[in-house]
Amino acid sequence: GAGVSQSPRYKVTKRGQDVALRCDPISGHVSLYWYRQALGQGPEFLTYFNYEAQQDKSGLPNDRFSAERPEGSISTLTIQRTEQRDSAMYRCASSGGTAYYEKLFFGSGTQLSVL
Amino acid sequence: GQNIDQPTEMTATEGAIVQINCTYQTSGFNGLFWYQQHAGEAPTFLSYNVLDGLEEKGRFSSFLSRSKGYSYLLLKELQMKDSASYLCAVRVGWDNAGNMLTFGGGTRLMVKP
Repeated sequence: GAGVSQSPRYKVTKRGQDVALRCDPISGHVSLYWYRQALGQGPEFLTYFNYEAQQDKSGLPNDRFSAERPEGSISTLTIQRTEQRDSAMYRCASSGGTAYYEKLFFGSGTQLSVL
Repeated sequence: GQNIDQPTEMTATEGAIVQINCTYQTSGFNGLFWYQQHAGEAPTFLSYNVLDGLEEKGRFSSFLSRSKGYSYLLLKELQMKDSASYLCAVRVGWDNAGNMLTFGGGTRLMVKP
């Protein structure tokens, strides 16, 4: 696609429910990143993939959070048993290669609200 | 731990020059990025520095001093559309660590007529 696409744009859920956030990166992009951004703050790293392999998940807050990218393209970030503190903007980004100078292209994000 | 500091807010006048500073104390360093983020939108890439010195790109320039843990973004001939948040981010990983960036809190720039 023309850019990084995320869905849904907004997600409102009740505490204790599971949610799945989807990211469709720019076509052909090797690397895919998940970040979380609180209002008025910079993005916070969660996890990233090169192709289908999850390279680092050190930023995932706890084991309720998981991510997958089974075919090296679309990725899903899943939050189980959501809590109010999980409310934030979840942003996906992709880059064309794995080099350290590669710039990230961010999606519009999914605004998650846990009631 | 990683610490990246930048001013929370700045105000400047249309047509003027503004400098946004960023200082960092990180466990490693493999480059510094600046991103622009308009309200309600996604961050977009502005610049990348890995060596000391000034990188110029049109109205925007970015400077890096690794020995001082310091960078700045210089915006010239300010336009109203430059009103946005500017995010400083450091890549702390090693060569195979991809682009895991640690971001500062962002500087919200308001350009006034």
